[in-house]
Amino acid sequence: EIVLTQSPGTLSLSPGERATLSCRASQSVTSTYLAWYQQKPGQSPRLLIYGASSRATGIPDRFSGSGSGTDFTLTISRLEPEDFAVYYCQQSGSSLYTFGQGTKLEIK
Amino acid sequence: EVQLLESGGGLVQPGGSLRLSCAASGFSFSSYGMSWVRQAPGKGLEWVSVISGSGTGTYYADSVKGRFTISRDNSKNTLYLQMNSLRDEDTAVYYCARDGDVPGPPFDYWGQGTLVTVSS
Repeated sequence: EIVLTQSPGTLSLSPGERATLSCRASQSVTSTYLAWYQQKPGQSPRLLIYGASSRATGIPDRFSGSGSGTDFTLTISRLEPEDFAVYYCQQSGSSLYTFGQGTKLEIK
Repeated sequence: EVQLLESGGGLVQPGGSLRLSCAASGFSFSSYGMSWVRQAPGKGLEWVSVISGSGTGTYYADSVKGRFTISRDNSKNTLYLQMNSLRDEDTAVYYCARDGDVPGPPFDYWGQGTLVTVSS
């Protein structure tokens, strides 16, 4: 099973700042199989990024993904009030899909 | 518009059984793999199981293997999760999610979830 470790656990920033979220895999993951999701309280998760760097339909361009191998990053260039949420990375490169434990992005 | 609507959650005693359903609409159901993902109260997301569009391929997380069975009825556009030998730790909101039609695939659409509570 591929274990995904996200850091930091909680990130406290202000609107307008840049957010950098990390996702590290226990073994190499082909970029095609790495996705990021956003979840707000009481809501279902929403797909943000697939293939490590492709934005899903309707996702603003302030969200970007990068990385390869075992290290992946989600960057939010300028935080909007609606961006404060929990973010998860996920891999589907093996028959056992896995999620990271999440990073909570909170308002400072 | 793609819609996924879960049902069947509720309170069940440890060792009991429950069957969840996910009614799909707005897309060609049989053309997509489908997954179940759960979230324990206050916790993160945990993938549970996936089934191919035809229903011939299935995979399970180790935590549910041998106890849960995923299936689908493409004539009814419905996904199922049969849960047996339920444990306290199976308490969670269960989401059905569609495997997207891009490489990966990621989960591109999610239902609203149904709550399963395992407790005596």
